[in-house]
Amino acid sequence: QSALTQPASVSGSPGQSITISCTGTSSDVGGYNYVSWYQQHPGKAPKLMIYDVSKRPSGVSNRFSGSKSGNTASLTISGLQAEDEADYYCSSYTSSSTFLYVFGIGTKVTVL
Amino acid sequence: QVQLVESGGGVVQPGRSLRLSCAASGFTFSDYTMHWVRQAPGKGLEWVAVMSYDGGNKQYAESVKARLTISRDNSKNTLYLQMISLRVEDTAVYYCARGTGTTFDYWGQGALVTVSS
Repeated sequence: QSALTQPASVSGSPGQSITISCTGTSSDVGGYNYVSWYQQHPGKAPKLMIYDVSKRPSGVSNRFSGSKSGNTASLTISGLQAEDEADYYCSSYTSSSTFLYVFGIGTKVTVL
Repeated sequence: QVQLVESGGGVVQPGRSLRLSCAASGFTFSDYTMHWVRQAPGKGLEWVAVMSYDGGNKQYAESVKARLTISRDNSKNTLYLQMISLRVEDTAVYYCARGTGTTFDYWGQGALVTVSS
C-alpha cells in the first residue's frame, strides 16, 4: 500500500500546541471527508481520536482537533500533556482498486 | 463495554496456515462491519480485509488476496481470518477492529503472527 505522508516525529513542551500533518492524494485524503486519527501507546491497540476529519468520539479530550485542506489533513493537540506521548496514525478511505483504507506512516509525539 | 479479543496467533513456518479469531462482546456484533488491520514489527498500520455485518460482502487488500479469507459467525459473535501460504512478510500483529461509518472505532489488543523457519 502507498502510505499517507506524516512527519516521523513532532515534539512539544507541556501546555504547548502541536500539529501533525497527513498528506495524501485526491484519491484518498483530498477526495473524501473520511480521515481518521488514531493514538497508539507502545504495545497497545490503536485508539480512535478523530473521525470524518474533525469529529471527536465520545470520551476523547477536546484538546484534540482535526482539519483538512486539499490533500492534507491535520491533527492538533493543544495543552500538550505527558500522557499524549504516543504514536499517531492518520487514515483515509480511498478509491484505490488495491485497498479500501490507507494509513499514514505514523508520527511519534514526544512531550519534552 | 465494547471488547474485541483476538486469539490464534503464534509462530508458523513459511507456507503453512493459521486461523485467527476475534471474539466480540458488549455490542450487537451482527449490526457491524468488521475489519482486520495488521502491523509489522516496528512498522505502521496496514488495512487487510473487511466483512459486512451479514457476511454478504467482503474486500481484501491486493497484497493478501487469495491467501487470506475473512469470515464471521454472528451466532458466536466471532470474526475469523484464515491465512494460508504464509510468508515471512506476513509477520505482524493482527488487530480486529469494529467498523462504524468509514472509521475503526474499537480495536482488539492484537494477535502476533510470526512466520519463520
